[in-house]
Amino acid sequence: GENVEQHPSTLSVQEGDSAVIKCTYSDSASNYFPWYKQELGKRPQLIIDIRSNVGEKKDQRIAVTLNKTAKHFSLHITETQPEDSAVYFCASRNFNKFYFGSGTKLNVKP
Amino acid sequence: DTAVSQTPKYLVTQMGNDKSIKCEQNLGHDTMYWYKQDSKKFLKIMFSYNNKELIINETVPNRFSPKSPDKAHLNLHINSLELGDSAVYFCASSQSPARSYNEQFFGPGTRLTVL
Repeated sequence: GENVEQHPSTLSVQEGDSAVIKCTYSDSASNYFPWYKQELGKRPQLIIDIRSNVGEKKDQRIAVTLNKTAKHFSLHITETQPEDSAVYFCASRNFNKFYFGSGTKLNVKP
Repeated sequence: DTAVSQTPKYLVTQMGNDKSIKCEQNLGHDTMYWYKQDSKKFLKIMFSYNNKELIINETVPNRFSPKSPDKAHLNLHINSLELGDSAVYFCASSQSPARSYNEQFFGPGTRLTVL
């Protein structure tokens, strides 16, 4: 089955700095890679996603890159703000199965 | 305008009891999921239903039994609850993978505490 690894497990940055979270996956049949943000006590919510036929996607301060050959994808948050503090999960999809990374706790210090 | 709803939000019960969690989505999706999030925040898929049919059944004890009366509902029944079942259970829904857009929407979660 699919194995998704996510690093780092915790990340602390100063407000205004950039944050990068990286994930690798093992199943070459995986074709959809969403990123979720989960605030304390809340549900995971999609913040950005990328499909396997695209190498990069950007939405304001958030961007995701995908390297299919190396089977890794990354989340980039620029100009971080305290409200970006949360746990971020990457995931990969193979047909109806979604596999999640172990999460990255991002702390943005004001 | 709740898209994916779950009840109850909190569930505290004794070991050995049987309990159910209900999930409903009003997005017109045809695929629904149950996830377990443990204390370390790992999100693990348990079940997936597509058009009321079970399509994914991960390695989950058979004390857990999902039931989908229709496309909009996926309930989770747990028999003989154990301490290790304590977690937050999330329901989610999406369109089937045959469609191009497959974003998952999560419910608010049910925090289950087994004493």
